[in-house]
Amino acid sequence: SYVLTQPPSVSVAPGETARITCAGNNIGSISVHWYQQRPGQAPLLVMFYDTTRPSGIPERFSGSNSENTATLTISWVEAGDEADYFCQVWDNSGDHPVFGGGTKLSVL
Amino acid sequence: QVQVQESGPGLVKPSETLSLTCTVSGASIRDYDWSWIRQPPGKGLEWIAYIGYTGITNYNPSLESRVTISRDTSKNQFSLQLRSVTAADTAVYYCARDHGSSTSKWFDPWGQGTLVTVSS
Repeated sequence: SYVLTQPPSVSVAPGETARITCAGNNIGSISVHWYQQRPGQAPLLVMFYDTTRPSGIPERFSGSNSENTATLTISWVEAGDEADYFCQVWDNSGDHPVFGGGTKLSVL
Repeated sequence: QVQVQESGPGLVKPSETLSLTCTVSGASIRDYDWSWIRQPPGKGLEWIAYIGYTGITNYNPSLESRVTISRDTSKNQFSLQLRSVTAADTAVYYCARDHGSSTSKWFDPWGQGTLVTVSS
């Protein structure tokens, strides 16, 4: 099964830029999707097809995907961005979705 | 807009069957694909099963022997059954709408989730 690796935590100060990575073997060749999960809430889609923001997601959120790493970038971080972030891909060999372990974004 | 809502017992005894229902509003389940996903307390997300708009199903290989996903188009609901549960099946269970193609899917929206505890 395809394995996605995320750092357990990322910390940034308000106004700075947070970069949350998702590593996988040749992940640049497949599409990556990202979810934000605030404490006690359900996951919320914040990025799909690597770089596409759903309606209602601020432009501060952007994505990239190349070679072995996909990245969710949050510019001008706000306190409300503090959450767990999960990446997700489709494992074509297993014909099912796979999630990364999640990264806790802390806003200092 | 599409909304999904999980319902079912919050407590299930070991070795018994967990049964949950997802009620969909704002769309017909016959028009889209749908999934069940779970999250053990303090842990990550695990996809469980999918039912397509045609009724076709697909399961996580690690759970396939114990899981059944089904639908009731007259009630616009789809359901999950997980048999022979253990404490390891304790989790928040989410239902969600699938998007994308057969080679890349994502999930949106998600229900609020329902906590199912397996305990005697």
